[in-house]
Parts: sequence; C-alpha cells; structure tokens
Amino acid sequence: GAVVSQHPSRVICKSGTSVKIECRSLDFQATTMFWYRQFPKQSLMLMATSNEGSKATYEQGVEKDKFLINHASLTLSTLTVTSAHPEDSSFYICSARDRAQRGNTEAFFGQGTRLTVV
Amino acid sequence: DAKTTQPPSMDCAEGRAANLPCNHSTISGNEYVYWYRQIHSQGPQYIIHGLKNNETNEMASLIITEDRKSSTLILPHATLRDTAVYYCIVRGTSGTYKYIFGTGTRLKVLA
Repeated sequence: GAVVSQHPSRVICKSGTSVKIECRSLDFQATTMFWYRQFPKQSLMLMATSNEGSKATYEQGVEKDKFLINHASLTLSTLTVTSAHPEDSSFYICSARDRAQRGNTEAFFGQGTRLTVV
Repeated sequence: DAKTTQPPSMDCAEGRAANLPCNHSTISGNEYVYWYRQIHSQGPQYIIHGLKNNETNEMASLIITEDRKSSTLILPHATLRDTAVYYCIVRGTSGTYKYIFGTGTRLKVLA
C-alpha cells in the first residue's frame, strides 16, 4: 500500500516550547490529510483536517491557535504544537488519502509521533 | 458518519479463526465499512473494506449482512502477530473522507 511517513517518531521537549511534526505522503499526492491524537489505552481522536492550499478544519474542542497546521504542498502537512505543556504529551498520528483514487478507497496512516513534554 | 459498536476485547487461540463483529445499524446507503488494526505504538494498518458484498484479501475476509447493519472481520488463521486493536469504521464516499474511530476490539491471540 501507499506510504505515509511521519517525522520525528519520538520527541521530548521542554514545557513552553513548540514542536513541529511532519507528515509526508511518499508515493502519492494528498489534497487532504488528517491529524489524530491518541492518549494511552484510548482510541484515536480526530483533531483536524488539513487542506492543501487552504486553512485547516478543526474538530470541536481543538484549539486552532495551539495546534497549527500547514499543508503547503500535496505531499506534506505539518502540525506544530505551540507552547507545549505536559498535558499535550500524546501519540500524534496523521493519515492521507491518494487524491487520484475514487472516493471509496482507503486512507493510509503514518507510524505516529510520540510527544513527551517535560 | 455512522457510529459503530464493537466488543471491547476478545481472545483467540493461535491457528484458529478470529471472528470480530461490528454493529453499524445506522449505516446509510453510500457508506462503506472499513477495518483497520493498530499494533501497540504504531499507526493504524488498513485491512479491508466493503460496501455490501463479502470481500476477501490476503489478510482477511469481510462478511457484511444483507441489511448492512453489521459485519464480521475474519482472520482465518490467527497468529501471535495478529494481537492488536481492531477498528471498524463506517465512512461515506463524499465530503472530507475523514475517519471517526470508535473504541475498537482488543484481540489477543493466545499461544
């Protein structure tokens, strides 16, 4: 299947700093990418939909000023956690769907980024 | 998108078939059923999807009831590496194509 790559896979940062996570579609173009957050022993929670060339759409309760999303090209979306705090520590996962495929095709997920804020 | 209901956990003996059920009683006509699994600390892995006909690939089979209100994912010969959380998701073919994850089923394959 198609490959979605996230970088970094793990990051530790100090409280108050910002962290950027990259999501790349390696062998396909994605008009839309999705960002999820997952806390231990919980399911994935959709945070936002990243749209190439336009503003991201955030799910209810997700602070757009804290979680900055940029989708500047058809193969790259970035999530920046600004002024990170320990409660932002989580597993962040992106997904993307090949824009060349029909509407019923599957999306592919990155391997995830483990963020620890100390 | 329709809500799905899955049992929280299941055990299966290695080498036996694992049958994972999913209820999606509010599914609408253009919504597909997707199955993904997540092995600890990894991103979800696509398994299979279908609309109304049964589907089979190299990983699994998907059986969808005639009324489409439920489905079953079948892993024909479970191995220890199939231990994971399995998610059943219903999604339409228009709009943003986003997936809304439920709680999933934690499958444990026993030696």
